[in-house]
Amino acid sequence: SQQGEEDPQALSIQEGENATMNCSYKTSINNLQWYRQNSGRGLVHLILIRSNEREKHSGRLRVTLDTSKKSSSLLITASRAADTASYFCASSGNTGKLIFGQGTTLQVKP
Amino acid sequence: SQTIHQWPATLVQPVGSPLSLECTVEGTSNPNLYWYRQAAGRGLQLLFYSVGIGQISSEVPQNLSASRPQDRQFILSSKKLLLSDSGFYLCAWSPPLGSGNQPQHFGDGTRLSIL
Repeated sequence: SQQGEEDPQALSIQEGENATMNCSYKTSINNLQWYRQNSGRGLVHLILIRSNEREKHSGRLRVTLDTSKKSSSLLITASRAADTASYFCASSGNTGKLIFGQGTTLQVKP
Repeated sequence: SQTIHQWPATLVQPVGSPLSLECTVEGTSNPNLYWYRQAAGRGLQLLFYSVGIGQISSEVPQNLSASRPQDRQFILSSKKLLLSDSGFYLCAWSPPLGSGNQPQHFGDGTRLSIL
């Protein structure tokens, strides 16, 4: 069963604003990953943060990880209409299998 | 570079008919392979994963089966489809365990509708 939860389920913002999505998980992890899914397509890997890291940046993306709270957040700065998609977090333990959250649907209005 | 191919992109099947979805990976050896199902507006549920030829682990009891006849080929099958088998099926690969923290790479998925 899915053990990740994401908040909010849906987010609508104007172009240029920042978007923040949160994720919680239940068991210990080796890493936590964020993926993006455009409508009707496969998932694309965005960023991976290891359990011993607290923050990671990639372009306009910033991910934080708090293992004491079993939570992570994804920040997209200066959003663009092309950022419109669903975003999923996925926790990974020793087996390498991923447990996905339910996702956040982001709409960026031009 | 590595690529993953999944087909068909869309499939409409009657209840009780058989199913075969194929996934192949190029440009890598001994990948871990995964089949997921995604219900509309939901996250991904892991159905099967494989760490090598003929090695299949099932995550949830269901009407589906998986096989890995070759190193880079992963097949999802059913003998008799149920209405509840409708969904978006995604195949993914990752480097073998021991390669360190690695992401999974996904195909474009198959939209399966059961009538």
